[in-house]
Amino acid sequence: AQSVSQHNHHVILSEAASLELGCNYSYGGTVNLFWYVQYPGQHLQLLLKYFSGDPLVKGIKGFEAEFIKSKFSFNLRKPSVQWSDTAEYFCAVYTGGGNKLTFGTGTQLKVEL
Amino acid sequence: ETGVTQTPRHLVMGMTNKKSLKCEQHLGHNAMYWYKQSAKKPLELMFVYSLEERVENNSVPSRFSPECPNSSHLFLHLHTLQPEDSALYLCASSQDPRGSPLHFGNGTRLTVT
Repeated sequence: AQSVSQHNHHVILSEAASLELGCNYSYGGTVNLFWYVQYPGQHLQLLLKYFSGDPLVKGIKGFEAEFIKSKFSFNLRKPSVQWSDTAEYFCAVYTGGGNKLTFGTGTQLKVEL
Repeated sequence: ETGVTQTPRHLVMGMTNKKSLKCEQHLGHNAMYWYKQSAKKPLELMFVYSLEERVENNSVPSRFSPECPNSSHLFLHLHTLQPEDSALYLCASSQDPRGSPLHFGNGTRLTVT
């Protein structure tokens, strides 16, 4: 069965620090890749997605992610985080068979002033 | 405003009770989903409906019974639940069930006593 790994469960950064959250998956075929974010007290919402084309995708609020097929990775990055980026971030992978979208366990990011 | 509305927000029920969770989407989407979110675990897909037809039943116990009367409404009927079923139940919708981004509701926090 496919799996999605987010190795960082908790990350604490100071404002203006750079962010990179790891996401690796275990499926070797064609994938759709997503990052979702859940701000405190709010619903899960889409941050960015990759379906095809340029492997570097840009999302909302200055986030970007890079799909590296050879590494089965889709890491999330932001050059300079803000306090308002405090949230839980989920990586998700869709593999096309069986309407299956698999989520990682999430990374809790806390940005300190 | 998410476009996906779930009621109730909180539910406490005994193991012998019968209750239902409701979800309504206002986005014109054709697919709807139930997910279970438990602490420190990946989101677990429970059911997928596409155009009111169930297309995925992810080995969910029969004490959970979904119903999709039309493409805008989704129910999760609950009966004889166990304490380990306590979790956040999320409804989501998407344009289609083939990897389109999900739009989530705020969830129903269920506690089984």
